[in-house]
Amino acid sequence: DQQVKQNSPSLSVQEGRISILNCDYTNSMFDYFLWYKKYPAEGPTFLISISSIKDKNEDGRFTVFLNKSAKHLSLHIVPSQPGDSAVYFCAATGTASKLTFGTGTRLQVTL
Amino acid sequence: DVKVTQSSRYLVKRTGEKVFLECVQDMDHENMFWYRQDPGLGLRLIYFSYDVKMKEKGDIPEGYSVSREKKERFSLILESASTNQTSMYLCASSLEYRGGTEAFFGQGTRLTVV
Repeated sequence: DQQVKQNSPSLSVQEGRISILNCDYTNSMFDYFLWYKKYPAEGPTFLISISSIKDKNEDGRFTVFLNKSAKHLSLHIVPSQPGDSAVYFCAATGTASKLTFGTGTRLQVTL
Repeated sequence: DVKVTQSSRYLVKRTGEKVFLECVQDMDHENMFWYRQDPGLGLRLIYFSYDVKMKEKGDIPEGYSVSREKKERFSLILESASTNQTSMYLCASSLEYRGGTEAFFGQGTRLTVV
C-alpha cells in the first residue's frame, strides 16, 4: 500500500522554465512533508519542507505548496537550472518520526 | 557540518553470506533509519530505531535485522544474503522532534549479492 505517491516517473523541462513536481498522499495522519533531491550514487539531500499548518513554504527558487483537502503537494522550481537534474523524492511523516517516501520523479533540465 | 557515514560505498557478497552494513552519525540524533532504494520503488524503510537498544520494523524487514548498541551507530545485518537483496542501502538519522524534522542521509552502500 503506497501511502505517498509520485505518479510521474520523469519530467523534462527547459532551462529557465518552471518545473512542477507533484505528490499525493493517502494517510491523513501525516502532518509534515519534505522534498529530497538525489543524484546517482549519492544519498538524498534535504531540499525543503512544509508543516500541515501551512499551505506554502518558499526557499529561494524552491516553493512547496500543500493542499490538505486534496492530500496533494507540489514542488515548484523557478527558474529551472541544469544542476537541478536529479531524482526528487516526496516524503511525509506523522506522529512517528519515520519518513515515508514516494517512488521519485526524475527531473531532466535541458539547455 | 552534519555527517552520516556508511562504512562502504560498494560491496559484493555471495549468496548465503552474513553481511554487516555499518552507519555512524555525529549529530547526537535519537532516530536512525535503514532504507533501501530500488528502481521504480523509491525508498522503502527496512528498520528504524528511536533510541539505543531500541528497534522497530519498517515496511520490509524480512531477511534483515539491526543492532544499535551506541547512540551514534546503527548496523544493518543481512542474516543470509540473497540475490533479491541486491540494492542501494541508505542510512539516515534525525532529531526526535514532534514538529517535524528532516532526516540526514549517508552516501549509500551499493550491495551486490552474487
